[in-house]
Amino acid sequence: GQSLEQPSEVTAVEGAIVQINCTYQTSGFYGLSWYQQHDGGAPTFLSYNALDGLEETGRFSSFLSRSDSYGYLLLQELQMKDSASYFCAVGDDKIIFGKGTRLHILP
Amino acid sequence: EAQVTQNPRYLITVTGKKLTVTCSQNMNHEYMSWYRQDPGLGLRQIYYSMNVEVTDKGDVPEGYKVSRKEKRNFPLILESPSPNQTSLYFCASSFNSGGAVLREFFGPGTRLTVL
Repeated sequence: GQSLEQPSEVTAVEGAIVQINCTYQTSGFYGLSWYQQHDGGAPTFLSYNALDGLEETGRFSSFLSRSDSYGYLLLQELQMKDSASYFCAVGDDKIIFGKGTRLHILP
Repeated sequence: EAQVTQNPRYLITVTGKKLTVTCSQNMNHEYMSWYRQDPGLGLRQIYYSMNVEVTDKGDVPEGYKVSRKEKRNFPLILESPSPNQTSLYFCASSFNSGGAVLREFFGPGTRLTVL
């Protein structure tokens, strides 16, 4: 079967850097995706890693290590608007999402 | 505007009364899927479709049906809803790149309450 583990909550200070980890167990692996969801909203795509290494998109970066079945989302220069839930996901056709990490940002 | 639309956005119904939640996308995506989201459980996939007339079960398909007769539409059918199907439902679509779903676009969600 497939499963993903991520912390349920993370707290950080505005302007700081935070890392949200995700470990996965899959029978086959195509890539690791990250999504952001604000309260009352729909999930929106942030990044996708198919190969090992770091992918950077503005203030957000995502890292993958296939040998460790591990990835993380790095958020830099945190802003209050980054307060949201973040989900990692794996799958090729059948998609499995982690249970989500709630990011709290303190002023 | 590229989007996934769902209707209705909110629905309150009673146990056993058949209902359909519609989903439509205008991005010519091959792949479409349905999720339910419950507190503390994240997003769980109900059904997915790789292309027209091709559907398959996700993690939690019991009590749901789907069909994919056209590329743009992927309705979710609850033949006999029960209170444990009270949830927030999301439809999503994506291009299917060599068998891999790279990036899903989500609809706004449908809040369903079954009394």
